Amino acid sequence: IQTTQSPSSLSASVGDRVTITCRASQGIASYLNWYQQKPGKAPKLLIYAASSLQSGVPSRFSGSGSGTDFTLTISRLQPEDSATYYCQQSYSIPLTFGQGTKLEIK
Amino acid sequence: EVQLLESGGGLVQPGGSLRLSCAASGFTFSSYAMSWVRQAPGKGLEWVSDISGGGDSTYYADSVKGRFTISRDNSKNTLYLQMKSLRAEDTAAYYCAKKIGGISSGFDYWGQGTLVTVSS
Repeated sequence: IQTTQSPSSLSASVGDRVTITCRASQGIASYLNWYQQKPGKAPKLLIYAASSLQSGVPSRFSGSGSGTDFTLTISRLQPEDSATYYCQQSYSIPLTFGQGTKLEIK
Repeated sequence: EVQLLESGGGLVQPGGSLRLSCAASGFTFSSYAMSWVRQAPGKGLEWVSDISGGGDSTYYADSVKGRFTISRDNSKNTLYLQMKSLRAEDTAAYYCAKKIGGISSGFDYWGQGTLVTVSS
């Protein structure tokens, strides 16, 4: 199953609403997870099962979707949200990640 | 507090072998599937291998099948990745990651990564 993210990069301002999309090449129900990775650090789980917020993650992050189309939304962008974001399907082996979306804060 | 600490990375020649370890603490290790995920320099994340909580089921990416072996010692709370016939394209930071639950779940905790460099 291929997972395709868009856009590959974006630039937004503090306070903006940002949406990143992930499309699976076939239906994966809600087996979709989102991660944030900052330079030199390990990835961090933000959203699991498409829409469940991981404990400790700010509520400005949210996820939606099922089947083949999914979105990660950051409702009010903060400076610390500058990072690369990855989606990942856990529906079937081989597990696959999207190619990443690099988010820059203007 | 969940902690995952990888070790064993380093410089190895093409065709060589290396064994990575991941020491886990802060959770009931045997109750969770575990994974290895790698990231080549400047590139995205690539899933490498999964193992079930009991160690009886293992899964591999096609790129490493037949060369890498995942295993675990639940008595020592340690995950392993034995890597053989290493290639330049295996150069990456290798992360061990804990699954939220079973095989079909995301990764809720990650180690800091250990760098493997395959070069002559």
